[in-house]
Order: sequence, then C-alpha cells, then structure tokens
Amino acid sequence: GQQVMQIPQYQHVQEGEDFTTYCNSSTTLSNIQWYKQRPGGHPVFLIQLVKSGEVKKQKRLTFQFGEAKKNSSLHITATQTTDVGTYFCAGMNAGGTSYGKLTFGQGTILTVHP
Amino acid sequence: KAGVTQTPRYLIKTRGQQVTLSCSPISGHRSVSWYQQTPGQGLQFLFEYFSETQRNKGNFPGRFSGRQFSNSRSEMNVSTLELGDSALYLCASSPRQRGGDTQYFGPGTRLTVL
Repeated sequence: GQQVMQIPQYQHVQEGEDFTTYCNSSTTLSNIQWYKQRPGGHPVFLIQLVKSGEVKKQKRLTFQFGEAKKNSSLHITATQTTDVGTYFCAGMNAGGTSYGKLTFGQGTILTVHP
Repeated sequence: KAGVTQTPRYLIKTRGQQVTLSCSPISGHRSVSWYQQTPGQGLQFLFEYFSETQRNKGNFPGRFSGRQFSNSRSEMNVSTLELGDSALYLCASSPRQRGGDTQYFGPGTRLTVL
C-alpha cells in the first residue's frame, strides 16, 4: 500500500533559525496536504498542493510539491516560538479504489528554543 | 459554522469491553473519516464514510467498525478492547468536493484501556 515517509522525526532549533521538513511518497499523489498540530491539540489544515512543481507561501512558510508529485517540503523561515508543534504531510492517492484516503506521514516535531 | 464535535472527550475502559465514539461533522460536510493517533504509530487512517457508505478502510482488525447516519453524523465502535487500543481517536469531516478534500479535525476522544 501507499507509504508516506516524513523526515526528520524531531527538529530542535533556536528561535530565528530556519526549519525544513520533507515528505516522500511511494506512489504518485493527486495532492498533498500539510497540517500542524499544537501540543495537546488536533491537526489543523495549513495548505493543499495539487500541481506538479507547485510552490505556495504563507507568510514565513513555503510549501513545495515535487515535479513527479511524489515528494513535498515545508520550509519555515526565521522560526518563532509560536511555530512549535508537529507538522504532518498527508498524501492523497492519484486514483483507483483508494481515492479519498489520506495517508499521513509520521510527522516532524518542532521545538523552538527562545 | 460550528466545527467538528466529538463525544465523549475522554473515556476509560477495561480490556474486553466495547466502546462507541461519536462525531458530528461540520454542517454541509458529507465525508467523515476516523483516525487513530498514538505516539508510536502517528496518525493511522481507520475508515472514511460518505453518504452513509464506507468508501475507504485502513488496515485495522474487524473489531473496529463504524457507520454514518443520514445527517452525516458518524459513530465508531471498538469491540473487545485491548490495551493497545489506548489512543486519541480523531474524527475529520470534509466537503468532499472537487479540490476540497481538506480534513477538518475534531478535538478527539482520548481512550484509555486499563
């Protein structure tokens, strides 16, 4: 079945440093979504990427979708303490009987030291 | 619009018992998905319901079942509870329209099996 691998598992940064998490799928995706889960909270949708090679920005966050639609990255510039949490990527199958099934990566736990 | 609601928020059961969790999606959302979240396994997809039909199913034993009602509300049932079923169970709803597969998560039900 489809697998979505996300690295690194943990990332500790000093406030102001940049942060990147990477996501790789074993199969081609129709879209990839990113979610953030604050400690003690539930995942909250950040963004969805659909097109091959797509790049989207949200303030200090930059999201990329690979040309082959099998990998993605999230980059945060100049981290702040409010960025702490777990960042998940979630890939949706390109088609077939599993359409609609989101497969989540293991998540990257980000800690920001002030 | 009100967000996704889940009841109960916390639950303590003993091995061998069964449990039913409830989820009310965002008004107008017809798709409801269930996920199990544990520290070791991350977010694992259980199943998705759309218009009262199970559309996708994850790799969980038959002890895990669900259903969706005509008003899109969903329930998840776990029979013969095991210690390993202790987890945060998250429900997510989606409009399930073209390009609108974003998952809106509820706060979750924290299940502890003793």
